[in-house]
Amino acid sequence: EDQVTQSPEALRLQEGESSSLNCSYTVSGLRGLFWYRQDPGKGPEFLFTLYSAGEEKEKERLKATLTKKESFLHITAPKPEDSATYLCAVHFSGGYNKLIFGAGTRLAVHP
Amino acid sequence: DAGVTQSPTHLIKTRGQQVTLRCSPKSGHDTVSWYQQALGQGPQFIFQYYEEEERQRGNFPDRFSGHQFPNYSSELNVNALLLGDSALYLCASSLGQGNTIYFGEGSWLTVV
Repeated sequence: EDQVTQSPEALRLQEGESSSLNCSYTVSGLRGLFWYRQDPGKGPEFLFTLYSAGEEKEKERLKATLTKKESFLHITAPKPEDSATYLCAVHFSGGYNKLIFGAGTRLAVHP
Repeated sequence: DAGVTQSPTHLIKTRGQQVTLRCSPKSGHDTVSWYQQALGQGPQFIFQYYEEEERQRGNFPDRFSGHQFPNYSSELNVNALLLGDSALYLCASSLGQGNTIYFGEGSWLTVV
């Protein structure tokens, strides 16, 4: 069964304390792995798409990496404004543009 | 450049009623998908429209139906509302397959 699992469910960091979020997936024929940021009561905001193992993408304090079975979202020296839920989703062969999402990681960064 | 826009933002309906939610895709996008997001969960795929046809459907009952118009905008209809239909309904758009998928801000539906 196609599945996406994110860990941890929640993460509390002090400002400046770097950490990583994990997204593991079991799908046949991965076509892309997406990371989104979602603020409370808002729609998901696109961050990155990764297409092949070994690929890395960066944006400000965020860096996403991809292996054959999982992806990591590394947060370097986070700030309170990075507090949000981070969602991982996969797009797979035969799924048209259907995304399968994980439940997300709720990140809280405290000053 | 306007992104994905949805309406209404919030609405409250009574159990058994029907609701219609609307979505305008990002400029230049031709594919629209709808997702349901319950509190504390990730979005769940409802269905996708391309060229005015439903192309794929998730595990949702026939009470959930949709439509895509020639200008690529879309509607989601839910009949015979249940309390469990209370959720954030998200519209997503893209250009074809395998491209970046953008989401709107969603429509909050509360069924009482």
